[in-house]
Amino acid sequence: KQEVTQIPAALSVPEGENLVLNCSFTDSAIYNLQWFRQDPGKGLTSLLLIQSSQREQTSGRLNASLDKSSGRSTLYIAASQPGDSATYLCAVIEAGNMLTFGGGTRLMVKP
Amino acid sequence: DAGVIQSPRHEVTEMGQEVTLRCKPISGHDYLFWYRQTMMRGLELLIYFNNNVPIDDSGMPEDRFSAKMPNASFSTLKIQPSEPRDSAVYFCASSGLREAFFGQGTRLTVV
Repeated sequence: KQEVTQIPAALSVPEGENLVLNCSFTDSAIYNLQWFRQDPGKGLTSLLLIQSSQREQTSGRLNASLDKSSGRSTLYIAASQPGDSATYLCAVIEAGNMLTFGGGTRLMVKP
Repeated sequence: DAGVIQSPRHEVTEMGQEVTLRCKPISGHDYLFWYRQTMMRGLELLIYFNNNVPIDDSGMPEDRFSAKMPNASFSTLKIQPSEPRDSAVYFCASSGLREAFFGQGTRLTVV
C-alpha cells in the first residue's frame, strides 16, 4: 500500500526566505505527483502537477521536482511572503487516477 | 467552468439522522472522488468513480456510508444513520487526463 510522508509537519520562516518542502512515497510506480495548497477552512487548490516522465515543473515562485527512483518530490518556494502561509499537501497519483495524500506541511511566513 | 461544486457547505445534524452530501464535478472529467479530512487522519479516500461506475469503495468506513453517481454531472454521498465520529470535512474531487480539482468541501457536524 502506498504511503506518502511530508516533512516537516510545520515550518515557520521570516518573510523573504527561500524554503523547501519535502514529500516521500514508498511505491515508485506512480503516474503523476500533484502539489496542493489548503488555506484554513477552505478546499484544496492545485499548485503544480508533475508527470512521471518529467523531473520538474515551475509556476511563478514555485518549483516542484520529482525523483521517482528515490521516491521523493520537493516543493521549492522562492522569496516567501506572508500570503504563502497555508498547508501544503502532496499527492501521488496512481492507477485509476487515484490520489494518495501526505499529511501536509503547515507553513507560516512571518512579516 | 465553475469548478467542482459541493453542497451544502455546512451541515449540522443530530445523531441518527440521514445526511446527504452532493457534488457536481467539472464537465468532461471522467473520474470523481470522495475524500474525508480530519485532524487525526488527514485526507482519506472513501470511494471513487470512473465514468459513473464505482471502482474502489474500500475506503468507505461502514455500511452506513453509501455513494452514487447516477450521471456524469452529479454524485451523492449518504450517511445513514449518522454518528458523532462522522464529523469531518468531506471533499469531492474530479479529474480527467491530468490534474485533479477539489470542491470547497462540506463541513459535517453530528451532535
